[in-house]
Amino acid sequence: AQSVSQHNHHVILSEAASLELGCNYSYGGTVNLFWYVQYPGQHLQLLLKYFSGDPLVKGIKGFEAEFIKSKFSFNLRKPSVQWSDTAEYFCAVRKPYDKVIFGPGTSLSVIP
Amino acid sequence: NAGVTQTPKFQVLKTGQSMTLQCAQDMNHEYMSWYRQDPGMGLRLIHYSVGAGITDQGEVPNGYNVSRSTTEDFPLRLLSAAPSQTSVYFCASSLSRDRVWQYFGPGTRLTVT
Repeated sequence: AQSVSQHNHHVILSEAASLELGCNYSYGGTVNLFWYVQYPGQHLQLLLKYFSGDPLVKGIKGFEAEFIKSKFSFNLRKPSVQWSDTAEYFCAVRKPYDKVIFGPGTSLSVIP
Repeated sequence: NAGVTQTPKFQVLKTGQSMTLQCAQDMNHEYMSWYRQDPGMGLRLIHYSVGAGITDQGEVPNGYNVSRSTTEDFPLRLLSAAPSQTSVYFCASSLSRDRVWQYFGPGTRLTVT
């Protein structure tokens, strides 16, 4: 069965620091990969997705993610975080057209 | 468009009670799903639907029923509530065949005592 792990449960950064959140998945075949964000008290929003092509994917709000097939990883990055990026971030994976499996989430706190 | 709506926002049930969580979307999306969110476990798929009249089980379907009589509505029924069903429930929908869950509802926080 597919599974998704996220390296950190809780990350604390100061504003302007760079962000990298780790995500690894277990499935070896073709995968679709996603990052979602959940701001406090709000519903989930799709940040970015990877289906195929350029392994460096740009999403909304200045986020990007890099798919490294050999490492089964899809890490999320942002060069300079803001207080408004405080949220919970979920990595997700699926086989094409199959069910989406979510990781446990990483809580990001950005200190002004 | 109102997007994906869910009712109620909060609910407290006693063990053994039944109830229905409502989910509706006004975007004519074929694909809809129900997830539960628990601390440290992310979101887990309960049931999903690929169109009116068609539903299927997800990762954690036990104790829940769904039906999809219309494109707009996808209610989730708890048959006999248990404390293990205390969670936040999210409904999601997707227009495209790639079934990327782009639209999530605001969630229903359920407590079972």
